[in-house]
Amino acid sequence: QKEVEQNSGPLSVPEGAIASLNCTYSDRGSQSFFWYRQYSGKSPELIMFIYSNGDKEDGRFTAQLNKASQYVSLLIRDSQPSDSATYLCAVKRPGYSTLTFGKGTMLLVSP
Amino acid sequence: DAGVIQSPRHEVTEMGQEVTLRCKPISGHNSLFWYRQTMMRGLELLIYFNNNVPIDDSGMPEDRFSAKMPNASFSTLKIQPSEPRDSAVYFCASSLSRGNEKLFFGSGTQLSVL
Repeated sequence: QKEVEQNSGPLSVPEGAIASLNCTYSDRGSQSFFWYRQYSGKSPELIMFIYSNGDKEDGRFTAQLNKASQYVSLLIRDSQPSDSATYLCAVKRPGYSTLTFGKGTMLLVSP
Repeated sequence: DAGVIQSPRHEVTEMGQEVTLRCKPISGHNSLFWYRQTMMRGLELLIYFNNNVPIDDSGMPEDRFSAKMPNASFSTLKIQPSEPRDSAVYFCASSLSRGNEKLFFGSGTQLSVL
């Protein structure tokens, strides 16, 4: 099993819908979880982080963490075409000094 | 703040040549990271510095790769000799301190080795 796994997509949603992006991780005991957005040809940009089980909301974005299931997700409400990008999940694994990134899920929001 | 600054933005070179990538972290950030991104392997950590000292270089592929951080505002990643399989986007990132995982990425260097 890969350390941090994401469906590569593309995930296609219509404008105004809720986009749900999922990420699973293999190392139980991982402590910190991050979502980065990467537009085509650009660098990753941090948009959300979560440390505790449950939900964390920031504007149209909600991060959800379930450590028992080793699962973290990102919900984007009222999706806009400008949300079209690749979303990278990153995890701070125990015993590692830095983040481990998934390969990302491409999101396409159609007008 | 100008953010993390990388140069060059694009580099095209021939196999066997030396390549040097440069990075200026955000002022006041004590941790600096070099990542490589490819379609096949995603974003991979190459090396991580804290307070100019290499902490984790386990991701450096082989001896052809070397990285230095002579001071808090400058780092280089060197590939000598370069090979076609080194073609990728190389990102530099910085964070405020060790253990702070909120990374700020530079614009990257697109490297093509012919």
